Amino acid sequence: EDKVVQSPLSLVVHEGDTVTLNCSYEVTNFRSLLWYKQEKKAPTFLFMLTSSGIEKKSGRLSSILDKKELSSILNITATQTGDSAIYLCAVFQGAQKLVFGQGTRLTINP
Amino acid sequence: SAVISQKPSRDICQRGTSLTIQCQVDSQVTMMFWYRQQPGQSLTLIATANQGSEATYESGFVIDKFPISRPNLTFSTLTVSNMSPEDSSIYLCSGDRGPTDTQYFGPGTRLTVL
Repeated sequence: EDKVVQSPLSLVVHEGDTVTLNCSYEVTNFRSLLWYKQEKKAPTFLFMLTSSGIEKKSGRLSSILDKKELSSILNITATQTGDSAIYLCAVFQGAQKLVFGQGTRLTINP
Repeated sequence: SAVISQKPSRDICQRGTSLTIQCQVDSQVTMMFWYRQQPGQSLTLIATANQGSEATYESGFVIDKFPISRPNLTFSTLTVSNMSPEDSSIYLCSGDRGPTDTQYFGPGTRLTVL
């Protein structure tokens, strides 16, 4: 059965800290891995990773895929209270089906 | 990113009734999908909305409970039928612009069934 597992499920840190969120997957016909940020209802797209070892970066956020280890990490440096959200990892299984992990609930305290 | 709108944004419904959720996407979107997110859970794919034909449902979801229409490329509806409190969830529409594109999500509909 295809599955995506995220860890930790919950994380509380202080503003300014650096955090690393983990995602591992077992999916047939892997195409790419996506990271989303969910603050209220709608997940907002962050990154799509297809090639192993190539870091994608956007401001304080960065992510990298390790196809050998079937995993990905999402790093957030110099965290701010606005980074508080649920971070979702999802993997394309085949052409179009997205399989989501449980999410990591990140809380940044001032 | 693709522009996706959804309505209603939230609703409170009585047990046994049905609710239809509408999703409108911009013209660049090719595939449309419907997801459910139960309280405290992650997103689960309900079905792929196919233009002009029956939707493709995932295991555990059936057409009688979640009828879906997609009469044209840019519009789809999801109906939650004969609702029970277990149907209380966020329902999300998503779309992509091709097989190598990511999926973009609409703002979601928060449904509460009493």
